[in-house]
Amino acid sequence: DAMVIQNPRYQVTQFGKPVTLSCSQTLNHNVMYWYQQKSSQAPKLLFHYYDKDFNNEADTPDNFQSRRPNTSFCFLDIRSPGLGDAAMYLCATSRQGKGTEAFFGQGTRLTVV
Amino acid sequence: GQNIDQPTEMTATEGAIVQINCTYQTSGFNGLFWYQQHAGEAPTFLSYNVLDGLEEKGRFSSFLSRSKGYSYLLLKELQMKDSASYLCAVRGSNDYKLSFGAGTTVTVRA
Repeated sequence: DAMVIQNPRYQVTQFGKPVTLSCSQTLNHNVMYWYQQKSSQAPKLLFHYYDKDFNNEADTPDNFQSRRPNTSFCFLDIRSPGLGDAAMYLCATSRQGKGTEAFFGQGTRLTVV
Repeated sequence: GQNIDQPTEMTATEGAIVQINCTYQTSGFNGLFWYQQHAGEAPTFLSYNVLDGLEEKGRFSSFLSRSKGYSYLLLKELQMKDSASYLCAVRGSNDYKLSFGAGTTVTVRA
């Protein structure tokens, strides 16, 4: 059974048109992450939440925003997608603590046309 | 900041052993993780080390030396399905953040 669910799996958006990616979890984990992964590159952390505390990475562009209305759901909003934003976007969750691995969703492949 | 290095590619024969090295420089250390990622799919968790030494899980083992900032993932009895990217990830001083290396693509040949 899927525990971290991302929708949609594939998203095509127009250059400059706002787009929202969603993530839900059934694990009741208090930490949620959004990563951006381009081909043959490391997943790059954009931001993470510890409960409702939002933590933005210093190099995450202002074009990327996030919302976490409750424990189960988290959204990634891209206000004005550019061609360089085409990537796989991965949502992950974990419990707090040293030994706790992150569980990933299947990802959303974003194409910008 | 975090700096995590691993080789880009490795090739091995079915049934053989492959060792994937990872070196890291991080501000603080709260554990090192290995993930497997098949093309177009999400990473899946393989192993975790926080203390020095070897952790064994079936065909996969992972080793850590904190003083050297070094880890390796050992894959034994390679199978074709093991062809994938293997990602080294480190938790630094903030025990929520998980930072990844670029991954090592392993190709298993018959």
